Amino acid sequence: AQSVSQHNHHVILSEAASLELGCNYSYGGTVNLFWYVQYPGQHLQLLLKYFSGDPLVKGIKGFEAEFIKSKFSFNLRKPSVQWSDTAEYFCAVKGGSSNTGKLIFGQGTTLQVKP
Amino acid sequence: NAGVTQTPKFRVLKTGQSMTLLCAQDMNHEYMYWYRQDPGMGLRLIHYSVGEGTTAKGEVPDGYNVSRLKKQNFLLGLESAAPSQTSVYFCASSWAHRGQGNTEAFFGQGTRLTVV
Repeated sequence: AQSVSQHNHHVILSEAASLELGCNYSYGGTVNLFWYVQYPGQHLQLLLKYFSGDPLVKGIKGFEAEFIKSKFSFNLRKPSVQWSDTAEYFCAVKGGSSNTGKLIFGQGTTLQVKP
Repeated sequence: NAGVTQTPKFRVLKTGQSMTLLCAQDMNHEYMYWYRQDPGMGLRLIHYSVGEGTTAKGEVPDGYNVSRLKKQNFLLGLESAAPSQTSVYFCASSWAHRGQGNTEAFFGQGTRLTVV
């Protein structure tokens, strides 16, 4: 069965620090990978996605993620975080040939950025 | 373009009461989903639909029913609410799988449900 694991449950950083959030997935075939962000009190918004091609994916607000197939990983990075990045971040996976579009989510990582 | 709209946004139920959550999307998406979000558990799929008139169970379907009578609407019902169903519920929709195309999910604002 598909599963997604996010290693960091709660991360606290100071502004301008670099960010890396880990995501590993378990799935035997081709995958589509996503990072969603949920700002306090809001719905989930897509940060970035990987379907195929260049494994380094750039998203909105300066975020990027790297798909490493051999490690089943899709870690999220940002060189310099801002206070406004305080939010919960979810990694999600979908089978590349899925005919249902079902997303499997990780447990989420709460990021707190101190000004 | 409203995207995915959920109603209501908040609700408090007494144990044993019933209610229906409505999800509406205006993007002509084939697929629709209901998730629940609980602290430390991420989002878990309750039920989903790959087209009008079809529904299927997700990861945590017990205690819920769904219907998709119209393509744009996906209803989630709780027949007899229990405190364990206190959660935030999110509806999402997406296009059908089209090779490497646009299959990301778009989410509604969520419904915060408390069962007392």
